[in-house]
Parts: sequence; C-alpha cells; structure tokens
Amino acid sequence: QITLKESGPTLVKPTQTLTLTCTFSGFSLSTPGVGVGWIRQPPGKALEWLALLYWNDDKRYSPSLKSRLTITKDTSKNQVVLTMTNVDPVDTATYYCAHRQELRAFDYWGQGTLVTVSS
Amino acid sequence: DIQMTQSPSTLSAFVGDTVTITCRASQSSSSNWLAWYQQKPGKAPKLLIYKGSSLESGVPSRFSGSGSGTEFTLTISSLQPDDFATYYCQQYNSYWTFGQGTKVEIK
Repeated sequence: QITLKESGPTLVKPTQTLTLTCTFSGFSLSTPGVGVGWIRQPPGKALEWLALLYWNDDKRYSPSLKSRLTITKDTSKNQVVLTMTNVDPVDTATYYCAHRQELRAFDYWGQGTLVTVSS
Repeated sequence: DIQMTQSPSTLSAFVGDTVTITCRASQSSSSNWLAWYQQKPGKAPKLLIYKGSSLESGVPSRFSGSGSGTEFTLTISSLQPDDFATYYCQQYNSYWTFGQGTKVEIK
C-alpha cells in the first residue's frame, strides 16, 4: 500500500526559505520508473506542478520556479525534500507530494499541507 | 511550455446526465501522455484516466477518456451524486502541466 505524507511549517514569513518533507511508504525510490513530485494549489485555484525527482536522482523543475526550487531525497528515510527560497505571499498554497509511475502520471497523492506566507 | 486549456470552466448537470469535458494542449502530445483527475473540496486529486484513455484501477467504468494530438475529452456517463467535483486534465509529455479545472455542479 503506497502512502505519502507532507510535513513542514504552516506559516512562513516573506523572503524566508520554505522546506517541505514528503515521507513515503509502500514503494522504493530506487525502483526504475518511479519518481516523487511536488504539486501546489493556491486557495481556490488550479494545480501547479513544481518539481520531480526520479529514481536515478534525475531532477526536473518548473521552468517558472526553477531558480527558487531544490528537490532532494534521503533514501534511507524514505523522504523527498523540497526547498523553496525567497517565498512571497503568492506562494501561499496547499503543497502536495505524489508518486509518479512512468505510464500513469501521479497515481498516489499525499493529503497535502497548507502553507501560508505572511508577515 | 505546453499549456492546457479546459472547457467549460463550470458545468451544471443532473444526476443521470452524460457530461463531457474538453482539454486542449498548445502542442501535440506524442503517445497521448494525458491524465484526468477528480478533486473534491479539501481532498487531494484522484487519478481517473492515464495515457489518454486508460482507466485507473478501481475507477468506475462510467468514466472514459478519449482523444489524441492536441484535443482530449473526459466523458462521465450517467452522472452520480459522488461525481460532483472539480476535474483537471494534465499533460505529461513534456514536464507536467495541469488545466485550469472544470467544476461539475448539481443542476
């Protein structure tokens, strides 16, 4: 059974760095074809893909946010970490991590964590 | 970047109706790398359809996907009360891009 859960701060001040952790179980990030992605959703708005980490440590970032994002993994802890620098109130959103299977896009999602950026 | 445009933004329908949501890509998708998700308020999205027309395990057969190239559709046959939600398309041919969503409301 695949599960994912996001954790991190609920409130961050503008210009700070946001660090979010995705802790997963039921799969290995060493399995070919597998990846873990991050997607966010501002309140009342659409989903936006942010970053993805592949089983072979290859990384992809949204072109519009690439300069602010870093995605890493800790295989021993079954965790994927996303950092976002220089946050702004427009970064207020629910942040989701999701399991990516090669053919099936994002087939398992975490419950999401709401992050508010405010002074 | 590949942009995804969904229509309509909102759709009102009765239980039992058949509804269709359209998703257009700004560039052609080879191999139909197109997924559909259902999202209910306060919940994470749920994968319904992948690779354009493949039904995810456990998803009712009243959901179906079709299309190719730049135009794709999600059809829900005999709409059920549990189907009232927001639906998103997503291309995964080049990175991952979501449409803006279609809210299906009770008429």
